[in-house]
Amino acid sequence: QLQLQESGPGLVKPSETLSLTCTVSGDSINSRSYYWVWIRQPPGKGLEWIGSVYYSGSTYYNPSLKSRVTVSVDTSKNQFSLKVNSVTAADTAAYYCAANNAGFDYWGQGTLVTVSS
Amino acid sequence: EIVLTQSPDFQSVTPKEKVTITCRASQSIGSNLHWYQQKPDQSPKLLIKYASQSISGVPSRFSGSGSGTDFTLTINSLETEDAAAYYCHQSKTLPWTFGQGTKVEIK
Repeated sequence: QLQLQESGPGLVKPSETLSLTCTVSGDSINSRSYYWVWIRQPPGKGLEWIGSVYYSGSTYYNPSLKSRVTVSVDTSKNQFSLKVNSVTAADTAAYYCAANNAGFDYWGQGTLVTVSS
Repeated sequence: EIVLTQSPDFQSVTPKEKVTITCRASQSIGSNLHWYQQKPDQSPKLLIKYASQSISGVPSRFSGSGSGTDFTLTINSLETEDAAAYYCHQSKTLPWTFGQGTKVEIK
């Protein structure tokens, strides 16, 4: 059973960079079965796909965030990461990592990131 | 970008009732539509993939149907544990998008 766990700071200052890591267990991140995904959910609101990365390093981003987002994979650590530059209060959200085969088949528990000075 | 519109936004239902949630896509997406359940303070959980395919471990009272632009999630004989928000998601065309969600409350 695939398991994912997000980690990173829960508080980020405006204009700084949000950095999160997702640790994958139960399978290799080199698995060709999955794309590795970041999704976010502002408090009380719906879900937004941020971006995806394949084990090869190929990436796909939501155009609404593309200029500020980087998703990368570290196969040596079985992890993938998210960076969002120049954050504002609008980036305050629960951030989820997930594994995408059919739909988003497996999800981490999520981590709340608050942007505030 | 493909827009997914769910209806209703909110539904208050008695246990054992049948619940129907619809998801309409702004353009044809074939069967590339998936459904999720999100209980309070939990991460979403995949319920149905590719419009109508069941997921191992998901109760059989959950079913999906539809293709093209119109899709339905049905919960037969609602149980109290089904109180949650339900989201549809399309994987036909990037960027992947979600419906706005439907909250199901137990009366």
